[in-house]
Amino acid sequence: NAGVTQTPKFRILKIGQSMTLQCAQDMNHNYMYWYRQDPGMGLKLIYYSVGAGITDKGEVPNGYNVSRSTTEDFPLRLELAAPSQTSVYFCASQLEVSYEQYFGPGTRLTVT
Amino acid sequence: AQSVSQHNHHVILSEAASLELGCNYSYGGTVNLFWYVQYPGQHLQLLLKYFSGDPLVKGIKGFEAEFIKSKFSFNLRKPSVQWSDTAEYFCAVNGRFQKLVFGTGTRLLVSP
Repeated sequence: NAGVTQTPKFRILKIGQSMTLQCAQDMNHNYMYWYRQDPGMGLKLIYYSVGAGITDKGEVPNGYNVSRSTTEDFPLRLELAAPSQTSVYFCASQLEVSYEQYFGPGTRLTVT
Repeated sequence: AQSVSQHNHHVILSEAASLELGCNYSYGGTVNLFWYVQYPGQHLQLLLKYFSGDPLVKGIKGFEAEFIKSKFSFNLRKPSVQWSDTAEYFCAVNGRFQKLVFGTGTRLLVSP
């Protein structure tokens, strides 16, 4: 199993540009999550999904969108990049009701 | 709302020293507690977890944690640290709707 994979690993965006961060898992987990990690701030939940076709906002959803058309994939979309979105983004998946989350390797995004 | 406090933001130890990282949580329901570790340049990995039963939980690499309900604490311990334990450590508690709430993390530096 590859586990949770994320692409790209690094990206530099200009202010106002858009991009999609890809996340995929091959563990057949229904639950998937997007976090951002900022120094000294821990992980903040952006969006999550409890199954294909079902998504919901986390703590810090503004400026982001998600979709979940399949169990495997959970892309995160930034529509109009802002410097405040400079961060490391982690995707995670979880077996139902286990609370044990498996994390991807992260995407380091810089917006200038 | 659920919250997690990690009071030690940075800890510096020499090899063979003992480690204790503090974690306090607030949550009104049944708690599930976790410690995750993030080695430099890597993604988060589960170190140990507490769901129920014995409040002393043993994890990987010689780490353990004790759940003390009366103190709302779940401190992480290791009797003798190694240089390879240099990492950032995150405590987390279950929240509503299968979400984890993370603390802000503790950076541990172990000097050889």
